[in-house]
Amino acid sequence: EAQVTQNPRYLITVTGKKLTVTCSQNMNHEYMSWYRQDPGLGLRQIYYSMNVEVTDKGDVPEGYKVSRKEKRNFPLILESPSPNQTSLYFCASKWGTGGELFFGEGSRLTVL
Amino acid sequence: AQRVTQPEKLLSVFKGAPVELKCNYSYSGSPELFWYVQYSRQRLQLLLRHISRESIKGFTADLNKGETSFHLKKPFAQEEDSAMYYCALRPWSNYQLIWGAGTKLIIKP
Repeated sequence: EAQVTQNPRYLITVTGKKLTVTCSQNMNHEYMSWYRQDPGLGLRQIYYSMNVEVTDKGDVPEGYKVSRKEKRNFPLILESPSPNQTSLYFCASKWGTGGELFFGEGSRLTVL
Repeated sequence: AQRVTQPEKLLSVFKGAPVELKCNYSYSGSPELFWYVQYSRQRLQLLLRHISRESIKGFTADLNKGETSFHLKKPFAQEEDSAMYYCALRPWSNYQLIWGAGTKLIIKP
């Protein structure tokens, strides 16, 4: 089944404890992206990648890192999480410039 | 500046009533427009894209280049339409999507 898979789906952590949210897609998509969704603010892009080893900042990259060593994986790294990073995170991918963006199920992160 | 505006954060209508979710954009070229939907506790998924000109789940959306709008319409709302709806624009020859802030649609029984 074609899908975008994120893990973990739910996580409660404490300030400063490094964490990684994994994202994997099985559709051979070139483009992958991370978003955070907050009430009243909609979707805001954190980072995106147009292909392996090509990443770029989105609208709200501060406090996050990403890597794209393989086409299928695009992990989101929070080196030192803070409470303002408490949010619902979505990974998404698509084939090329146009077309449908496929989303993962979301990862709800709480930083205490 | 390229922007997508969804003026209503919340829209509440009764079952069976018509629904219109507004989307306005600012972009000087020829954009590709999308509507994405997020049902409760589910992932976002594509509902409509303007180039396909389809009607999905009874929803339609017409790109009005004169008014720079891409409003989503349904003549008779159903309770299962309750969801978060996002309008998005893709500038031509660009990977990136520009998102509206979303409209939460509530269908009252």
